[in-house]
Amino acid sequence: GAGVSQTPSNKVTEKGKYVELRCDPISGHTALYWYRQSLGQGPEFLIYFQGTGAADDSGLPNDRFFAVRPEGSVSTLKIQRTERGDSAVYLCASSLIGRRGEQFFGPGTRLTVL
Amino acid sequence: AQKVTQAQTEISVVEKEDVTLDCVYETRDTTYYLFWYKQPPSGELVFLIRRNSFDEQNEISGRYSWNFQKSTSSFNFTITASQVVDSAVYFCALSEHSGGGADGLTFGKGTHLIIQP
Repeated sequence: GAGVSQTPSNKVTEKGKYVELRCDPISGHTALYWYRQSLGQGPEFLIYFQGTGAADDSGLPNDRFFAVRPEGSVSTLKIQRTERGDSAVYLCASSLIGRRGEQFFGPGTRLTVL
Repeated sequence: AQKVTQAQTEISVVEKEDVTLDCVYETRDTTYYLFWYKQPPSGELVFLIRRNSFDEQNEISGRYSWNFQKSTSSFNFTITASQVVDSAVYFCALSEHSGGGADGLTFGKGTHLIIQP
């Protein structure tokens, strides 16, 4: 079956602009996660959805970051007033049973803020 | 707070050698889950194994084996008879069962494994 997909694969934007990153999880996976991976580092947790609700958003770095999952499937990560420090690969993962289960990752969106 | 340490930043071996990647974790939970992921040059993280804290049996899958020791809070990964295709960055990760920590995985910084032909 289809894996986790993310669009766009690459996004270049200017400082101060707004961006949206999309994640389409594996069908039937109720748990969805967003991570951010900087060069040479491991993925860093941002937010976790169980169904439509954000069960844990403790990893979002500040209020410029926001994510939604209105129908419990596709999720969008939104970043306002982008800064150069936001440049990273944004990874999405989905899981069948939440924190106890293996997470399946998408290919990521490489965000570059100029 | 939960933490995962992968002290080896980069390891380089010649093909067919055995190699062990170290992982040490910290958690206050008594129930937790440990994972290994592989990130090849293409970039997509690939799940390798999940282990819960109550199962200390070592596991072998082909050329891969994992050694979980609660006494030393370690979950090491060994590749036997390494191959060039094993070249990748390998991440160890931790998830706590109960609340307190974030619901996502806590990853180590990864070990870059280079297998030379």
